Amino acid sequence: SAVISQKPSRDICQRGTSLTIQCQVDSQVTMMFWYRQQPGQSLTLIATANQGSEATYESGFVIDKFPISRPNLTFSTLTVSNMSPEDSSIYLCSVEEPTGRYEQYFGPGTRLTVT
Amino acid sequence: GNSVTQMEGPVTLSEEAFLTINCTYTATGYPSLFWYVQYPGEGLQLLLKATKADDKGSNKGFEATYRKETTSFHLEKGSVQVSDSAVYFCALMSGTASKLTFGTGTRLQVTL
Repeated sequence: SAVISQKPSRDICQRGTSLTIQCQVDSQVTMMFWYRQQPGQSLTLIATANQGSEATYESGFVIDKFPISRPNLTFSTLTVSNMSPEDSSIYLCSVEEPTGRYEQYFGPGTRLTVT
Repeated sequence: GNSVTQMEGPVTLSEEAFLTINCTYTATGYPSLFWYVQYPGEGLQLLLKATKADDKGSNKGFEATYRKETTSFHLEKGSVQVSDSAVYFCALMSGTASKLTFGTGTRLQVTL
């Protein structure tokens, strides 16, 4: 399976600032996703990162708050903008390899704390 | 819309006990079903999957059978170990968009 890395692994940020999270995959993948896992909660899909076009956002998530870039088939970034304490979560990227097996693999996550 | 319901945790078992974690789902069409595991301090790992009715997914001694008639995908293991202590997430994927819908997760604690 693909090897996925994320940077940073954790960060503590002040409210009102922005943080950009990077996701790097060791092979080309067609599908990349960003999820949020709030403390003690399950994972919620934020958006699908589309290569060469705008991301597709889920209900409740907007581009102004969570801008996403996907410049190629191995890399994506998620920015959490104008942060508030409610944005404190683990942010994970995932990929689906072009194998037709419908299996998604997750990065190690970025633990964000907003003070 | 799609949804996944898991049994509440935490579940505490002694080593070598039998494990069942219940999972039921609501989905349009014919979803694929997954169990993911999150060990302490680690990322989410795919444990097993089943893509059609009556399929059984298995891995590391864990099993789950896709039951369309009861819309369930319960996770079982015959003899748990301390190293199985983790949070287990049931999930489904429906349609062509490859979106995963997760349950709330069930924390398993195995003691000696």
